[in-house]
Amino acid sequence: GDSVTQMEGPVTLSEEAFLTINCTYTATGYPSLFWYVQYPGEGLQLLLKATKADDKGSNKGFEATYRKETTSFHLEKGSVQVSDSAVYFCALRPNSGYSTLTFGKGTMLLVSP
Amino acid sequence: NAGVTQTPKFQVLKTGQSMTLQCAQDMNHEYMSWYRQDPGMGLRLIHYSVGAGITDQGEVPNGYNVSRSTTEDFPLRLLSAAPSQTSVYFCASTHGQGVDYGYTFGSGTRLTVV
Repeated sequence: GDSVTQMEGPVTLSEEAFLTINCTYTATGYPSLFWYVQYPGEGLQLLLKATKADDKGSNKGFEATYRKETTSFHLEKGSVQVSDSAVYFCALRPNSGYSTLTFGKGTMLLVSP
Repeated sequence: NAGVTQTPKFQVLKTGQSMTLQCAQDMNHEYMSWYRQDPGMGLRLIHYSVGAGITDQGEVPNGYNVSRSTTEDFPLRLLSAAPSQTSVYFCASTHGQGVDYGYTFGSGTRLTVV
């Protein structure tokens, strides 16, 4: 079945550091890929998405590129802020009919001033 | 536009009690689903619905029932609560087959079973 693997956290960074959170997936065909963010005490919010190979999703300074050859969708940000502290989830959704989201286990990011 | 509304936000149950977690969306989304979030486990799909009158099981359906009598509402019922059902529950909705659409999540219900 489909699966998503994320790097384990927590990831601890100082403000203005470069962020990478690794995500790889296993799926049949070519799914759509998503990053969701969950701030403390809140639900999940869509951060960015990519629906086909080589697409780059971007939002709020975060970027991720759909790499079919390495089945990866790594999340990056050039300069993190304290307000970016949250849990980040990588997810996939098959591109066929009605389909559910499959999530990774989440990566907690802690940014200190 | 309220999005996805979940009630209650917090609930404590005794083992064996029953309750219903409510979920309502006002975006005319066809697709609704329930997830539970547990530490180190990510989000796991409990049940989902592709439209009024149609439901199906997800990865962890045991101990939960759902129904979908309207497009807007998708309640989750715990028939006899167990401590293993202590978790944070999220309802989510999206348009049907359009994969360009992300999911909209509710703010969650934190359930403790003692």
